[in-house]
Amino acid sequence: GENVEQHPSTLSVQEGDSAVIKCTYSDSASNYFPWYKQELGKRPQLIIDIRSNVGEKKDQRIAVTLNKTAKHFSLHITETQPEDSAVYFCAASRDGGSQGNLIFGKGTKLSVKP
Amino acid sequence: ETGVTQTPRHLVMGMTNKKSLKCEQHLGHNAMYWYKQSAKKPLELMFVYNFKEQTENNSVPSRFSPECPNSSHLFLHLHTLQPEDSALYLCASSLSGATYNEQFFGPGTRLTVL
Repeated sequence: GENVEQHPSTLSVQEGDSAVIKCTYSDSASNYFPWYKQELGKRPQLIIDIRSNVGEKKDQRIAVTLNKTAKHFSLHITETQPEDSAVYFCAASRDGGSQGNLIFGKGTKLSVKP
Repeated sequence: ETGVTQTPRHLVMGMTNKKSLKCEQHLGHNAMYWYKQSAKKPLELMFVYNFKEQTENNSVPSRFSPECPNSSHLFLHLHTLQPEDSALYLCASSLSGATYNEQFFGPGTRLTVL
């Protein structure tokens, strides 16, 4: 089955700096990679996702890159702000219709210091 | 609010008790999920229902019993739990069971087993 490794487990940056979180996956058939953000005491929410036919996707200050050959994908946050502080989870899945399920990484706790 | 509600928000139970967790979604979705979130562990998928049919049971012990009477409601019946079952239980829903559909999470039920 799929296995997703996420690094680092904690990350502290100064406001305005960039943050990068990396994930690797084991199943070469995986083709969908979402990122969820969970603020303290709140529910996880999707912030960006990428499918395997695309190498990079951007949405304002966040971007995700995918390297299918190396089986890893990364979340990039530029110009970080205190409200970016949260736990970020990567996930991977093969789109198997009703059988496809998300396998999550362990999460990265990002702290942005003002 | 994302339109997914869970009750109760907190639950303390003894190992011999029987209790139920309830999830309701008001988004017109057809797939619903139960996840377990423990400290320093990935989100663990427990059960998936797609159009009221259970499509996934990730080797979950029989002391957890799901029920999906319709596409809007999902229950998790609990009996003879163990202290290691203490965790945050998250419900989620998506338009369908295809994994590229965004999953909308509820606020979770914080369960403590004494």
